[in-house]
Amino acid sequence: GQQLNQSPQSMFIQEGEDVSMNCTSSSIFNTWLWYKQDPGEGPVLLIALYKAGELTSNGRLTAQFGITRKDSFLNISASIPSDVGIYFCAGLGYSGAGSYQLTFGKGTKLSVIP
Amino acid sequence: DVKVTQSSRYLVKRTGEKVFLECVQDMDHENMFWYRQDPGLGLRLIYFSYDVKMKEKGDIPEGYSVSREKKERFSLILESASTNQTSMYLCASTVAREQYFGPGTRLTVT
Repeated sequence: GQQLNQSPQSMFIQEGEDVSMNCTSSSIFNTWLWYKQDPGEGPVLLIALYKAGELTSNGRLTAQFGITRKDSFLNISASIPSDVGIYFCAGLGYSGAGSYQLTFGKGTKLSVIP
Repeated sequence: DVKVTQSSRYLVKRTGEKVFLECVQDMDHENMFWYRQDPGLGLRLIYFSYDVKMKEKGDIPEGYSVSREKKERFSLILESASTNQTSMYLCASTVAREQYFGPGTRLTVT
């Protein structure tokens, strides 16, 4: 099946620093989604990307759909304490027999040191 | 705003009990999903549904069943709960190519 490699698994940064995380796959996707999950809560959709090369921002967050359609990255600028959480990527790709499948990365756990 | 709600945030059940987890979405979405989330294993798809009365097995359907009698409601059923079903359960629905999650149900089976 399709697999996503998300890195890094975890990161500790100082408040005010910029953050970058990415997801890569051997499969081609036609949509990339980025989520944030707070402890004990469900994932919240941050950004959706629909075509190769697309660059989309949501406040201090910027995400890009890789030109090869096999990767995506998420940047957070000027991090603040409330950015703490787990960030997931998800790729929507063709899984055969006329159906599509959403594949999730394992997440990047972000800790922000005040 | 898309809204996906789940009937309980926290649930404690005994081994062997029948457990119902309810999920409701208010956006007339056709596609609905049930996942479980465990540390180190990420999100795993249990069942999904493309329409009323339709259901498809996901990656880990064993020990679970589902029911979709109305478009807005998708129920996950544990016929006889076991301790290895202790987990965070997440419901989701899809519009276009975007998937939205509910707040999750933390189920503990003792």
